[in-house]
Amino acid sequence: EVELLESGGGLIQPGESLRLSCVASGFTFSNYAMHWVRQAPGKGLEWVSVITSSGSSTDYADSVRGRFTVSRDNSQNTLYVQMNGLRAEDTAVYYCAKGGPVILYQFEDWGHGTQVIVSS
Amino acid sequence: DIQMTQSPSSLSASVGDRVTITCQASQDISKYLNWYQQKAGKPPKLLIYDASNLETGVPSRFSGVGSGTDFTFTISSLQPEDIATYYCQQFDDLPLTFGGGTKVEIK
Repeated sequence: EVELLESGGGLIQPGESLRLSCVASGFTFSNYAMHWVRQAPGKGLEWVSVITSSGSSTDYADSVRGRFTVSRDNSQNTLYVQMNGLRAEDTAVYYCAKGGPVILYQFEDWGHGTQVIVSS
Repeated sequence: DIQMTQSPSSLSASVGDRVTITCQASQDISKYLNWYQQKAGKPPKLLIYDASNLETGVPSRFSGVGSGTDFTFTISSLQPEDIATYYCQQFDDLPLTFGGGTKVEIK
């Protein structure tokens, strides 16, 4: 059974940094692209970033490009996102999602999310 | 970016009713469209991939059709456990984009 467990969320002040983690199990992590998707309170889903299975390629939504950095450690089955220069509009539940063997694929499995609140 | 326009934004129907949600892409996305269900306080769940393929374990009352720019998601007989928000999502190109969601309630 696929399990994705996010952590690292919390209350943080504008301008500060935070790193989220997502530990994966139940599948061969190194074979799959992985994504971060977020959902602001009461709002819809917004794709944030993707990293290929090897970690050699990444991409980002324009709203976070230059501030967020996605990475992965395939030896630890862990996905990360480093979030710098956080803004109030980054407040959301952040989900990690299992993609496919390629970047353009469905989100087959989702974690339960970690809440990030950016507020002074 | 490919814009996904989903309608209606909410609907109320009776148990047993047929429910239809539409999703329109701003450009041709072939069949590269997925549908997700999100219940309150839970993560989304993949229901339909490649516009019309039912994910394993998903009840057959859920279905999807379409290609190009116009897609339809149907619940053939609404059940109480189907109360949720439904989202379409294109994966033809980055950035991956979602429709605004359709909240389905029981009348």
